[in-house]
This record gives sequence, structure tokens and C-alpha cells, in this order.
Amino acid sequence: DAGITQSPRHKVTETGTPVTLRCHQTENHRYMYWYRQDPGHGLRLIHYSYGVKDTDKGEVSDGYSVSRSKTEDFLLTLESATSSQTSVYFCAISESTVRNQPQHFGDGTRLSIL
Amino acid sequence: RKEVEQDPGPFNVPEGATVAFNCTYSNSASQSFFWYRQDCRKEPKLLMSVYSSGNEDGRFTAQLNRASQYISLLIRDSKLSDSATYLCVVNGKTSYDKVIFGPGTSLSVIP
Repeated sequence: DAGITQSPRHKVTETGTPVTLRCHQTENHRYMYWYRQDPGHGLRLIHYSYGVKDTDKGEVSDGYSVSRSKTEDFLLTLESATSSQTSVYFCAISESTVRNQPQHFGDGTRLSIL
Repeated sequence: RKEVEQDPGPFNVPEGATVAFNCTYSNSASQSFFWYRQDCRKEPKLLMSVYSSGNEDGRFTAQLNRASQYISLLIRDSKLSDSATYLCVVNGKTSYDKVIFGPGTSLSVIP
């Protein structure tokens, strides 16, 4: 399995609080991604990174920010959590985005915003 | 039209059956194609890449039809352990083209 660790694995918090999820990889891959997965919506890209300090928005980036200060770590922050951000969050990595380089996923973080 | 569409499912098949999933994509410039499986409450895992010439891995066969813009996954001799959701994934042409995940097709293999 790809060396990807997400933390925490589970979190319950209250509306309005800040939340930071961490993704750590040991593969030295350039590309890292944050997705959320909700029933009826499938996987949706929140933000991605194509290198240290290089990030870009995905299709559902509102309410989220990211940072990548080291190759191995990609942080996802909910500045002020809302109940609509209750979801399962997956981090993924890929060596590149050229042909036939797939993404590999972490175990996920289950986040509940009450 | 959605960028990646899959058979809605669910598929309920007996053990030993052969089952086929189809996936269509809208971007004719797409270059890379994959099938992932996702077990309940788990992360998606790469099942196989899909090559232009088609490829096989044991009981699994993936095919690509660029002219019609669809890919397929065939599972022969279904096992109970094949029960999962199967996701079709399509990459864009350039480095920054986004990856599109299909909604998935659920498979239940019944004893």
C-alpha cells in the first residue's frame, strides 16, 4: 500500500470551530489531493498541490484552505466548520499526472460537524 | 451531459457469474483511464489501468473504445469478495487537467 497517513481518522467538532486535517506521505510524490465524498455526489476534489507551496482549487473549494510547506505534508483547513462540511475526506497522491499515473488514497478522515 | 457516467446499478449477481460495467466519458482528449474499487467505508483502491489495447488481470478485463468514448470492466467467475463499488476514473490530456471520478456502480455478489 502507498505510504499515506491521514490524521485524525475520526473527528467530531462543533460548528464555527477551526479544523485541520493532515495528510502525510512517504512516497516523495509531487502531487497531492484532498477530496470529500458524500452520498449521491461521489468523490469531489477540494484542492490539490503540484509541489511545495504550489496549490490550486478544485470544484468544491469554498470554505477550505490548504497548505504544503513540505513535500510530504498537505494540510486541509476548515477555518470555521459548518454542518455542510460533515463528510469523509480522502487524501490522495500521485507521482505525476501524465498518462497512466494513477492516484493512491489514504484511509480517510470521518469528520462530523455538530 | 456529465463528464463521466457509469451504469447506475446496483448489480446483484450470483457467485460464479460474469458481470460487465460500462463507463462513458465526454472529453475526447482524455488520455488515461482507470478502474478503482471501493469497499464500504474504505478508501478507493486502484484495480487496474485501462490501456488502448485492452488488458487483463486474472478474472478482470478492461477495455477502451476511444471512438465511442467508453471503457468497460468485465469480471468473470464473480466471488463474494468482489462485492464493492467500482469507480471509473478518467484523466485529462495535460498535466493540470483534472481527474474525474465517476459516481460508481455497486456490485453485490450473492452466495
